[in-house]
Amino acid sequence: GESVGLHLPTLSVQEGDNSIINCAYSNSASDYFIWYKQESGKGPQFIIDIRSNMDKRQGQRVTVLLNKTVKHLSLQIAATQPGDSAVYFCAENNAGNMLTFGGGTRLMVKP
Amino acid sequence: GAVVSQHPSRVICKSGTSVKIECRSLDFQATTMFWYRQFPKKSLMLMATSNEGSKATYEQGVEKDKFLINHASLTLSTLTVTSAHPEDSSFYICSARGEWLAGHTDTQYFGPGTRLTVL
Repeated sequence: GESVGLHLPTLSVQEGDNSIINCAYSNSASDYFIWYKQESGKGPQFIIDIRSNMDKRQGQRVTVLLNKTVKHLSLQIAATQPGDSAVYFCAENNAGNMLTFGGGTRLMVKP
Repeated sequence: GAVVSQHPSRVICKSGTSVKIECRSLDFQATTMFWYRQFPKKSLMLMATSNEGSKATYEQGVEKDKFLINHASLTLSTLTVTSAHPEDSSFYICSARGEWLAGHTDTQYFGPGTRLTVL
């Protein structure tokens, strides 16, 4: 069936470096994608979203890139900080207006 | 904006009792609310979708008589775990979607979650 998945389950980066978290999706009909950050014991927090008519969207220290040709989504975090340590989920909004979540990537920031 | 709260944040109960979890959208009207369950180190699993004033739609494999959902108003949805057993222990998270949020009408905003432990 259609699914959203992640390439790397765990990503370890040095504080101050940039982080890139990747996500692959298979439903070509999906038109809206969201990145969420989830800290331990808390609910997912909205980070940034992008619609399929865009290739790139920037927020504060975060950038989402969408490559529809290869069905790939990425989240870039600039100047990663210890507070960025969390599990990051990509989510795909399908034709039924429901979210399908990827498996999650744990980002660990080393001081 | 787009704040969603849940209550309680943590609950411990005895096997056989029922537990009610509330989900509220604090600063917007949520026409649709969602209930998820999350096991340790796993992704979110959608349990059901509820629209204000109508019956919830449950995902396959989720017992509707076990997990009662009520979406009585545009700001409140409740999940009641009936006759809870240890295997119901989990992290339950709600989300809300408000159709009037300009530019984010498809976005689900999540509550902080409720940790349920059934002894």
